[in-house]
Formats: sequence, structure tokens, C-alpha cells
Amino acid sequence: GNSVTQMEGPVTLSEEAFLTINCTYTATGYPSLFWYVQYPGEGLQLLLKATKADDKGSNKGFEATYRKETTSFHLEKGSVQVSDSAVYFCALHSGAGSYQLTFGKGTKLSVIP
Amino acid sequence: DAGITQSPRYKITETGRQVTLMCHQTWSHSYMFWYRQDLGHGLRLIYYSAAADITDKGEVPDGYVVSRSKTENFPLTLESATRSQTSVYFCASRGGGGHSYEQYFGPGTRLTVT
Repeated sequence: GNSVTQMEGPVTLSEEAFLTINCTYTATGYPSLFWYVQYPGEGLQLLLKATKADDKGSNKGFEATYRKETTSFHLEKGSVQVSDSAVYFCALHSGAGSYQLTFGKGTKLSVIP
Repeated sequence: DAGITQSPRYKITETGRQVTLMCHQTWSHSYMFWYRQDLGHGLRLIYYSAAADITDKGEVPDGYVVSRSKTENFPLTLESATRSQTSVYFCASRGGGGHSYEQYFGPGTRLTVT
């Protein structure tokens, strides 16, 4: 079956530090990959996505590249801000014929001034 | 307002009571989903619906009932609430066409069963 594995948190960084959150997946076929962000007390928001191999998703300074050879979709940001403090979820959808997203367990990021 | 809304946002109920959580979306999305979020378990799918009057079980359906008489609404009912159903519940939706599989989430309902 499908699965998503994220690095365990929590992750604590100083403002302007470089961020990487690792995500690897197991899936049949050609999945679409997503990063969602959840701010305290809110629902999940789509942060970025990639639908095929070598695609790079980007939004708000965050980037992730769909690497089929390593089955990975690592999230990166060059300079984090306090406002980036949230929980980040990696997810996949295995394509037509499937109905659900498969989520990782989430990684909590805290950015300190 | 456009989007996906949930009500109530917070609910406290007693063991054994019936409680219904409401979900409404204004996009006319075909698919709707209910998840629960618990520490250590991440997000788990309870039920989903592919269209009005079509529903199916997800990963953790026991103790829950859903209906979908209208495309825009997808209520979740706990028939006899238990303490293990204390959780944060999220509703989500997505369109049915093309290859866009991303889901859009509501703000959540925090349910406490005492």
C-alpha cells in the first residue's frame, strides 16, 4: 500500500536559518505529491504540489522537487521566519482510481527570533 | 463566504450522547472527506463521499455515520459518543475532474467527550 514517511520533529530553528524537512514515499503508479501546512488552531492549507517526476513545486519561498529515483519530496526554505512556525505534512495521491490522500505524521517547526 | 466551513468549532458532549458535526462547501466539489487528527496518529480518514448519495468507509469508520443528500453538505454523526472519539475533526473537499487531487480543508471542530 501507499505510505509517506517524514522526519520526526519537533524541529527548532533560528530565524533566517535554512530549513529541510525530509519526506519519502512508497506508492504504486505515478503519485502526485503535496506539502500541507497547519498553523496553530487552523485547518491544513495546501502549500505546494508536484504532479510528475522532476517537477518542482514552490510557494512562499518554500520548494520541493519530485524525485522519482529516490522516492522523495523534501521541503526546503532558504531563510525561515517566525511566521513559518507550524506543522508541515507531506502527502501523496496515487492517481486515477484512488480516492484518498495518504499523509505523513507531520513535522512541527518552531522558529525562534 | 466561499470555501469550506465547519460547525460547531468547539463541542463538549457526554459519553453516550449523539452529536453531529456539520460541513458545508461552496465550490460544488464532488468529493468530500472527514478526517480525525490525534497526536501520534496524524490524520486518519473516517469516511468519504464521491458525490451526493455516495459514501464509503475510510480507515477508522466505526462509531460514525455520514450522509450526503446535497452536494454541498456532508454531516458526520457520532451515534453514541465515547471518550476515544475526543479529537479534532476536519472536513475536506476536492473537485472530481482533471488531475488535480489536492484537497481543501475546513478549520476543524474540536470535540471533547467527557
